[in-house]
Amino acid sequence: DAGITQSPRYKITETGRQVTLMCHQTWSHSYMFWYRQDLGHGLRLIYYSAAADITDKGEVPDGYVVSRSKTENFPLTLESATRSQTSVYFCASSEVGGNTEAFFGQGTRLTVV
Amino acid sequence: GENVGLHLPTLSVQEGDNSIINCAYSNSASDYFIWYKQESGKGPQFIIDIRSNMDKRQGQRVTVLLNKTVKHLSLQIAATQPGDSAVYFCAENMGGGATNKLIFGTGTLLAVQP
Repeated sequence: DAGITQSPRYKITETGRQVTLMCHQTWSHSYMFWYRQDLGHGLRLIYYSAAADITDKGEVPDGYVVSRSKTENFPLTLESATRSQTSVYFCASSEVGGNTEAFFGQGTRLTVV
Repeated sequence: GENVGLHLPTLSVQEGDNSIINCAYSNSASDYFIWYKQESGKGPQFIIDIRSNMDKRQGQRVTVLLNKTVKHLSLQIAATQPGDSAVYFCAENMGGGATNKLIFGTGTLLAVQP
């Protein structure tokens, strides 16, 4: 089915472990985004990517790493998870160029214990 | 789903009334704005957008107003229905016209009373 999918939907990990959240889109959209959503903060941009092999920092990039070797995939890695990274993570994509709407996945709920 | 309502501004309206949700954006150079709706446990869904060369845009039961002078955006929902209950976010493109860098506000919870 066409769309944007995130995996896993739920993840529990321990402090200090590395964890990767996956995002896959079938629209061949140029742009992909990672947001985190926390109480009182709304959606905050972690990283975004304008095309394969092009990534840029958002508002809260510290502690996260991204890569974009293929247009359709945009994994987000927490290199050494901390409790403050417990959150709901949303991936999104949009078409080439600026000023276009972004389409969101269903989210990944990550708990760091 | 994620309970994002605990610390959010809340607008409570009666079913059938009109709702107005407000948003102050931060960058006077932003030239594109979007309203999203997020239901519990789901990702945000696009409602309507507006470019900075417009001050009003209408959709089905929704209207977005843009006041660039005071950097203010509003979403009007006509004849509010129970299915409109959700958290509403505004977003602005802070990347300029050639780059899509969408930054979101903190959101408003709309609670529709039957």
